[in-house]
Amino acid sequence: ETGVTQSPTHLIKTRGQQVTLRCSSQSGHNTVSWYQQALGQGPQFIFQYYREEENGRGNFPPRFSGLQFPNYSSELNVNALELDDSALYLCASSLDREVQETQYFGPGTRLLVL
Amino acid sequence: EDQVTQSPEALRLQEGESSSLNCSYTVSGLRGLFWYRQDPGKGPDFLFTLYSAGEEKEKERLKATLTKKESFLHITAPKPEDSATYLCAVRAYGGSQGNLIFGKGTKLSVKP
Repeated sequence: ETGVTQSPTHLIKTRGQQVTLRCSSQSGHNTVSWYQQALGQGPQFIFQYYREEENGRGNFPPRFSGLQFPNYSSELNVNALELDDSALYLCASSLDREVQETQYFGPGTRLLVL
Repeated sequence: EDQVTQSPEALRLQEGESSSLNCSYTVSGLRGLFWYRQDPGKGPDFLFTLYSAGEEKEKERLKATLTKKESFLHITAPKPEDSATYLCAVRAYGGSQGNLIFGKGTKLSVKP
């Protein structure tokens, strides 16, 4: 069974640029959630995708957007990057969108905005 | 507002010295409490899910318990390889779908 994978592992961008992060869900999982984790903090929920539709969103501005594909992989796009966007971006997949389902995390993408 | 508070922020133990980590939560209605382990620069690894007060789960040297206001992660006779940050998260009624609300974590160091 393949776990959650993310790419790239590290990324350096400059302020104002745009970035796309990718996530492949665990085999058999149809739901993907994205989190942002700043240094020394717990992860913060960005949004969730279920069967290619956004299924919930946290307190993040519209410049954070996403997609889910028919194979349940997902992308996180961030436009007009700001210095505070520097963080570890985590993708988590779950078997279904039901709230009791455990979310399994990938290794993360470390984004640095200069 | 739903929130999770973990204590202590950091904990140093000697190998074999048992202790407990605390996770206090304030939510409108608890739908599940989750414990994860996170190594530096890595994603969180799932440990336990607890759903109702009185529930307990065990795995190797770890045991998680749940009351109506808090959860404890008990570590028995820890080893250096147990060193990591332990994260607690809750899912609440009325929250955004899929939203896990995390605490800041407890950084555990176990010295040989």
